[in-house]
Amino acid sequence: AQSVTQPDIHITVSEGASLELRCNYSYGATPYLFWYVQSPGQGLQLLLKYFSGDTLVQGIKGFEAEFKRSQSSFNLRKPSVHWSDAAEYFCAAIYGNKLVFGAGTILRVKS
Amino acid sequence: EAGVTQFPSHSVIEKGQTVTLRCDPISGHDNLYWYRRVMGKEIKFLLHFVKESKQDESGMPNNRFLAERTGGTYSTLKVQPAELEDSGVYFCASSQVVVHPGNEKLFFGSGTQLSVL
Repeated sequence: AQSVTQPDIHITVSEGASLELRCNYSYGATPYLFWYVQSPGQGLQLLLKYFSGDTLVQGIKGFEAEFKRSQSSFNLRKPSVHWSDAAEYFCAAIYGNKLVFGAGTILRVKS
Repeated sequence: EAGVTQFPSHSVIEKGQTVTLRCDPISGHDNLYWYRRVMGKEIKFLLHFVKESKQDESGMPNNRFLAERTGGTYSTLKVQPAELEDSGVYFCASSQVVVHPGNEKLFFGSGTQLSVL
């Protein structure tokens, strides 16, 4: 089945700590992989995307993600989290011509 | 530049009623998508317009859902009659015409929260 899995529904980190959000995609993804963020009252904003080439991609707001084909993973990382990073994060992949999303991970940042 | 606008932001209706959601894409964007997120679940594709034509409506749940895009500008999504399981957040997204879906940059609206009681 075409699916994207985000194993963590909620994650809480302290401000200034590092962050890693997990994402796995099922067989059949192209893979074109994406991370989106949704802050309260806002639309989904693209953080970064991977199409080909270097498996470590840089995004906006200091985020990066690493594509690992052997693990079917595309985990999102940030070395030092800011309180403004509190939001919901969605991983997505292209299957055929459709964008398939994971269920999202809610990030809470404690001061 | 205005982003993707959705109206209303929230709608609370009773089972059996009709609701119409509206999406205004970014001007000049031929591609318009509707997605839905049922509480705590994945954001799921509903359908895709290219201008006024339905390119792909394979994600529409059933015939109680009707989407239109008059003149290739704004789009409406009507649910008639609404059922409890239709509750969720309905997102709209738009993009310019591109060669491959993976190269598209999708611009999302903030969504309409629909609650069917």
